[in-house]
Amino acid sequence: DAKTTQPTSMDCAEGRAANLPCNHSTISGNEYVYWYRQIHSQGPQYIIHGLKNNETNEMASLIITEDRKSSTLILPHATLRDTAVYYCIVRVVLGYQLTFGKGTKLSVIP
Amino acid sequence: GAVVSQHPSWVICKSGTSVKIECRSLDFQATTMFWYRQFPKQSLMLMATSNEGSKATYEQGVEKDKFLINHASLTLSTLTVTSAHPEDSSFYICSAERGGTTETQYFGPGTRLLVL
Repeated sequence: DAKTTQPTSMDCAEGRAANLPCNHSTISGNEYVYWYRQIHSQGPQYIIHGLKNNETNEMASLIITEDRKSSTLILPHATLRDTAVYYCIVRVVLGYQLTFGKGTKLSVIP
Repeated sequence: GAVVSQHPSWVICKSGTSVKIECRSLDFQATTMFWYRQFPKQSLMLMATSNEGSKATYEQGVEKDKFLINHASLTLSTLTVTSAHPEDSSFYICSAERGGTTETQYFGPGTRLLVL
């Protein structure tokens, strides 16, 4: 699976949009981009995934660049409960393993 | 939908005893389940991949005789830590893969193990 690079930490004001970037310059054509988050002392929570088109669900939006070498997870209106470590993972669609990096620690500030 | 449960949520045991952790997919069938381990301030590390009805596949460095995995049904996998020692103290997390075109993994809430 391709490697991802994320900033170590980010701050976001409560109520503002949180934009979390991820670089995956070695991504292959059959690899999806997945985003998970882990709130302290809990199991990871699935957020969203995509292949090449932008995706949106009730939690977030995923913007993937045209060359697929980077993506951005957008939380439209961050709340204090969104404080967590966010993981960007690329994975072959028919593969099984999720390889977790260090992720981005997002702190939402009142 | 896509709920995964784990039991127990936390356990304290004496060194040398065995501990069993259950992982259940509550509202879907999971042909594949995964077991991860997470030490403090570190990321999740995959321990093994478990397919229903077959032997688990362990990652390099994970002792299969110490961490016994049984995937008895499409909704239940168990991890038994045999002869636990203090260095086995960790946060154990399972995930279950719901099939389909993109095979999204859903995670349980985790089990915190403390071996005294």
